[in-house]
Amino acid sequence: KQEVTQIPAALSVPEGENLVLNCSFTDSAIYNLQWFRQDPGKGLTSLLLIQSSQREQTSGRLNASLDKSSGRSTLYIAASQPGDSATYLCAVPDQTGANNLFFGTGTRLTVIP
Amino acid sequence: GAGVSQSPSNKVTEKGKDVELRCDPISGHTALYWYRQSLGQGLEFLIYFQGNSAPDKSGLPSDRFSAERTGGSVSTLTIQRTQQEDSAVYLCASSLAGTGIFTEAFFGQGTRLTVV
Repeated sequence: KQEVTQIPAALSVPEGENLVLNCSFTDSAIYNLQWFRQDPGKGLTSLLLIQSSQREQTSGRLNASLDKSSGRSTLYIAASQPGDSATYLCAVPDQTGANNLFFGTGTRLTVIP
Repeated sequence: GAGVSQSPSNKVTEKGKDVELRCDPISGHTALYWYRQSLGQGLEFLIYFQGNSAPDKSGLPSDRFSAERTGGSVSTLTIQRTQQEDSAVYLCASSLAGTGIFTEAFFGQGTRLTVV
């Protein structure tokens, strides 16, 4: 069964810093990987989707990379802002024929003004 | 609609009562998912609908939980005889396609269910 791990569980940085969030998965045979953010008490907002054939995706200050062979993805946030404070989740689809997304437990990011 | 819409946003119910949670997916999305997120926990898969195919109910925790999707669009998750351990945020997601061609999933804002 696919296992998705996110390290660190929590991260606190001063405003303006660049930072990297990590996501690891045990089964490298993935179709894609998706990054989400979740604000407290809210649903999930899709940030980036990387297809298995891609190595990188960019959206504004966010850049996600994917290294399938090593089972890793990173989310790079440039020039962090207090509004970036949220929990960041990565997810990969279940490829055993079940209809599921495997989620990591998330990284709770706090950007200090 | 512009996004996935869930209602109600909050629901408080007494133990033993039945509740219905509603999800309106993005128009044209054939795949619809329900997840549950308990306090401080990760997302737990509940059920999946894809077009007119039989739903994947493998994640439903007990027979008190059921879901329907009418006309390939709106879905209702029903919890019968609610228990305190059912308290959680229930999240719905939709995507353009489903298994094997899993495209970007979009989530609603969730329904926070509290069983007292």
